[in-house]
Amino acid sequence: EIVLTQSPGTLSLSPGERATLSCRASQTISSDFLAWLQQKPGQAPRLLIYGASNRAAGIPDRFSGSGSGTDFTLTISRLEPEDFVVYFCQQYDRSPVTFGGGTKVEIK
Amino acid sequence: QVHLQASGPGLVKPSQTLSLTCTVSGGSINTYSNYWGWIRQPAGQGLEWIGRVYGSGGTDYNPSLKGRVTISIDTSNNQFSLNLKSVTASDTAVYYCTTGSPDYRDDEEAYYVNVWGTGTTVTVSS
Repeated sequence: EIVLTQSPGTLSLSPGERATLSCRASQTISSDFLAWLQQKPGQAPRLLIYGASNRAAGIPDRFSGSGSGTDFTLTISRLEPEDFVVYFCQQYDRSPVTFGGGTKVEIK
Repeated sequence: QVHLQASGPGLVKPSQTLSLTCTVSGGSINTYSNYWGWIRQPAGQGLEWIGRVYGSGGTDYNPSLKGRVTISIDTSNNQFSLNLKSVTASDTAVYYCTTGSPDYRDDEEAYYVNVWGTGTTVTVSS
């Protein structure tokens, strides 16, 4: 199975700063079948990005995804207070679908 | 957009079968998507994909569950279900039902999850 490793585990930043989250795959993810999810406490995850760089419906443009092959990045251009939560990457290229361990973005 | 609501017992005894149903509203399970699946999350931990059923009835499961899982679709009731046999404490988690949309690129097709149900907590304990 494809193992996804997210870094850092925790990112400490201030509102208004730029956040860069990394997701590295153990094997090449073909056709960029990689998604980014956001999870707020007590809620189900929400899709932010699919196909490595396509924003899902209703997602603000401060969220952007990039990368291909084995290295992918989620960038939040200017952190808003509601962005200080947990983010997961997910590959849907091959079965079983797998997730990264998550990155928590916390207020510095 | 469809809404997904998972239901089932919140407490299951070890060695028994966990059975959950996901009711689809706001759209037909026959036509909204070809992909209906389950994902779980133990408290304070990450996400684990359980498996999926396609509109045709075909299925795909996570090998880590060692053949204990069955996902089926009930088009007459606009529902799909999860059965997980021989549960242990490690199956305690929030269970989410999900649906997805197809992503086509480079002559390949794959489904990404774009709708999550609210989640239901299942505890395995005697």
